[in-house]
Amino acid sequence: QQQVKQSPQSLIVQKGGISIINCAYENTAFDYFPWYQQFPGKGPALLIAIRPDVSEKKEGRFTISFNKSAKQFSLHIMDSQPGDSATYFCAAYTTGSARQLTFGSGTQLTVLP
Amino acid sequence: SAVISQKPSRDICQRGTSLTIQCQVDSQVTMMFWYRQQPGQSLTLIATANQGSEATYESGFVIDKFPISRPNLTFSTLTVSNMSPEDSSIYLCSVYRIRLAENQETQYFGPGTRLLVL
Repeated sequence: QQQVKQSPQSLIVQKGGISIINCAYENTAFDYFPWYQQFPGKGPALLIAIRPDVSEKKEGRFTISFNKSAKQFSLHIMDSQPGDSATYFCAAYTTGSARQLTFGSGTQLTVLP
Repeated sequence: SAVISQKPSRDICQRGTSLTIQCQVDSQVTMMFWYRQQPGQSLTLIATANQGSEATYESGFVIDKFPISRPNLTFSTLTVSNMSPEDSSIYLCSVYRIRLAENQETQYFGPGTRLLVL
């Protein structure tokens, strides 16, 4: 059962363009939504995260938009660069002290020079 | 932050053998997690390993196949037992940290162990 649905599976963007990755969830017990970036041969690294009481969070070129009523959230990468080419995972923490993290299926982003 | 190292970084093993993967963290942590990531796929949680208690396994993973040790707050091992080609995957160790001042929760991942079972 895929609790966090992510799309698209792959994305190709021109340098300077905007990359948009979308995620949706059903489980209302999720209470924290991070995005991870993974380069080949490396473990995932936290990129940016948001709590459901906030509709938007921006850090540099990266922005999360969160729609609690629709149970959807998205990552926007402004002015995309070739160095942003990586796999991006949305994720969600389940409420409670165990802090289990559920990942989306991943989006392979390629930014063309 | 947390610096996590894993050994081995990669291995090629024969069917029916076992491999123990080590995870070392540069500071003490309560929660450690083991994930599996098949090539081109997402991460799947195998188990949560808290020091001083038995590991908690997710659905589809059992202790006989993936025994875990957590002898102290900076170290854990995952053993992949009686391996088959279906066990070929990347195994990642992870730790959880919370920064209360910034209201931020972070999961740090090791570089992974790439396992190929022939």
